[in-house]
Amino acid sequence: AQSVSQHNHHVILSEAASLELGCNYSYGGTVNLFWYVQYPGQHLQLLLKYFSGDPLVKGIKGFEAEFIKSKFSFNLRKPSVQWSDTAEYFCALAGNAGNMLTFGGGTRLMVKP
Amino acid sequence: KAGVTQTPRYLIKTRGQQVTLSCSPISGHRSVSWYQQTPGQGLQFLFEYFSETQRNKGNFPGRFSGRQFSNSRSEMNVSTLELGDSALYLCASSAKGAGGTLSYEQYFGPGTRLTVT
Repeated sequence: AQSVSQHNHHVILSEAASLELGCNYSYGGTVNLFWYVQYPGQHLQLLLKYFSGDPLVKGIKGFEAEFIKSKFSFNLRKPSVQWSDTAEYFCALAGNAGNMLTFGGGTRLMVKP
Repeated sequence: KAGVTQTPRYLIKTRGQQVTLSCSPISGHRSVSWYQQTPGQGLQFLFEYFSETQRNKGNFPGRFSGRQFSNSRSEMNVSTLELGDSALYLCASSAKGAGGTLSYEQYFGPGTRLTVT
């Protein structure tokens, strides 16, 4: 079985603050990891992905994530958030079973101007 | 390239009825997956189709079914609707990756919001 946990359900930051959202997973095989973002009223969009190789992956809009295999983690980071980053962020895992994504519970980020 | 489209966008049904939702993937994408999103359960995988065959199925009752057509368009059907089926139903498509392997990068549509009364 595979599972994904996001421990921060709600995060409130001021503009220019740094962001780190936690994601931990449980899976016994090779993992493919993703961060998706859902802006208010919009559909899920892919922020970044990790398939293999360099564990530090860069995505769109200045986001990056680090895959740490020993900690079963894939935390999302951004050095300086903007008001427009207000959204819900989902960590997801795809194992060996094709395109079946297992999502974490999501983290609602509010950035105060 | 046009994104994933889903129809209808909103739907209201009553308990006991059945409903069919439609999804058109991005042109050239052959894999279509369906997810249910609710405030309580979050995003949960329903099933995935590739080349008209169901490849994976999530932990949902048999009232939830789907199919894929030769043009990769997909439909999902929910029979004997229950109040708990009220949710946002998301469709995602994925392309065939380099070297003949499937990409796990999925692109999501806007969803169909189903309300069961």
